[in-house]
Amino acid sequence: KAGVTQTPRYLIKTRGQQVTLSCSPISGHRSVSWYQQTPGQGLQFLFEYFSETQRNKGNFPGRFSGRQFSNSRSEMNVSTLELGDSALYLCASSLYTGGKRGYTFGSGTRLTVV
Amino acid sequence: ILNVEQSPQSLHVQEGDSTNFTCSFPSSNFYALHWYRWETAKSPEALFVMTLNGDEKKKGRISATLNTKEGYSYLYIKGSQPEDSATYLCALEQAGTALIFGKGTTLSVSS
Repeated sequence: KAGVTQTPRYLIKTRGQQVTLSCSPISGHRSVSWYQQTPGQGLQFLFEYFSETQRNKGNFPGRFSGRQFSNSRSEMNVSTLELGDSALYLCASSLYTGGKRGYTFGSGTRLTVV
Repeated sequence: ILNVEQSPQSLHVQEGDSTNFTCSFPSSNFYALHWYRWETAKSPEALFVMTLNGDEKKKGRISATLNTKEGYSYLYIKGSQPEDSATYLCALEQAGTALIFGKGTTLSVSS
């Protein structure tokens, strides 16, 4: 079956611009979560969506937002980009099976802000 | 702020050596502990999900144990091979929350 697809793989933006990243989950997975990795940091949780509703949110400024569509695809948007937003952004789709939640990650979008 | 700690930060071993890493986490509101293997330029690959105190999981030469009362998990690799070189991540799942990751242990195996 197809895995989690993130587009684009690489992106270069200028400070002050905005950017939208896309994540298509595994078919049948209704939960999508987003994570940011910057150099020297672990994966930091951004937000999670389930059935088009934001279920959890990490400690990021309001410039970071997201949404989920009826087909479970998710987008995250970063407005007024800053140099510090340069990072690898990963999304994961998840499903509860047998009392455990399995997460499958995409390959990420590498965002560079110049 | 919840903190998931992993040690060591990095490790270099010779082919055939066995090794282990530690993941420490707050034991309150524990729901599950996840281990991932992350190779450069690839997506993190799920290794284990453990929920019960005393859980032990095994996948080939890799195994993991869980102690929820004291808040730690060990990952063991027996007879390391160069293809085991990767970053190993643990992540805490609490009830109703998303994953909280440690910074990972980067393993390098020389042949």
